[in-house]
Amino acid sequence: DTGVSQDPRHKITKRGQNVTFRCDPISEHNRLYWYRQTLGQGPEFLTYFQNEAQLEKSRLLSDRFSAERPKGSFSTLEIQRTEQGDSAMYLCASTIVGVGYTFGSGTRLTVV
Amino acid sequence: GNSVTQMEGPVTLSEEAFLTINCTYTATGYPSLFWYVQYPGEGLQLLLKATKADDKGSNKGFEATYRKETTSFHLEKGSVQVSDSAVYFCALSVLSGAGSYQLTFGKGTKLSVIP
Repeated sequence: DTGVSQDPRHKITKRGQNVTFRCDPISEHNRLYWYRQTLGQGPEFLTYFQNEAQLEKSRLLSDRFSAERPKGSFSTLEIQRTEQGDSAMYLCASTIVGVGYTFGSGTRLTVV
Repeated sequence: GNSVTQMEGPVTLSEEAFLTINCTYTATGYPSLFWYVQYPGEGLQLLLKATKADDKGSNKGFEATYRKETTSFHLEKGSVQVSDSAVYFCALSVLSGAGSYQLTFGKGTKLSVIP
């Protein structure tokens, strides 16, 4: 297993467009997290999955954001009607109880 | 709520200098504490961790001790190298009611080591 993969690495989109990011976790990891990191800040928690169930969502996750993890494998994060304030690095991490997080390299979103 | 405060950067040091990056925290419950490192263009990597009071985490010459009485987890290294140049994040996790171990991060400290 090569770690957590995120796709795409970079995304430039026009304001108002929808975007979708994908995360492929380490295969045996049943827990998956999404974080957002803006310039000069530490990552902030967005949402958490255990297997396919989305168990926790941050107040940061407005109704324009939706995340899924069908079949408890890969996950997608969709942002509808993007705004300039959505420009950030979106990080995915996976883990299993007793093992620390493994982070992906992130998807950098730029909204123009 | 949970929060992490770490010293502002950037920090610039000469090679072989001593490094300290201060980190203090507030938490509901008993947190585990972490230091993560982010090299340019890469994801976050776990540097070290400590799960209970007085534990010392160590890795690659870096150390940090979990001090419950001062709610601190300062990162130290006796002799930095140019290859240590990166952004360092202090973080904590506490088990939430939903069963997650979400991380709360500080803002990060950028370290530049010059030859």
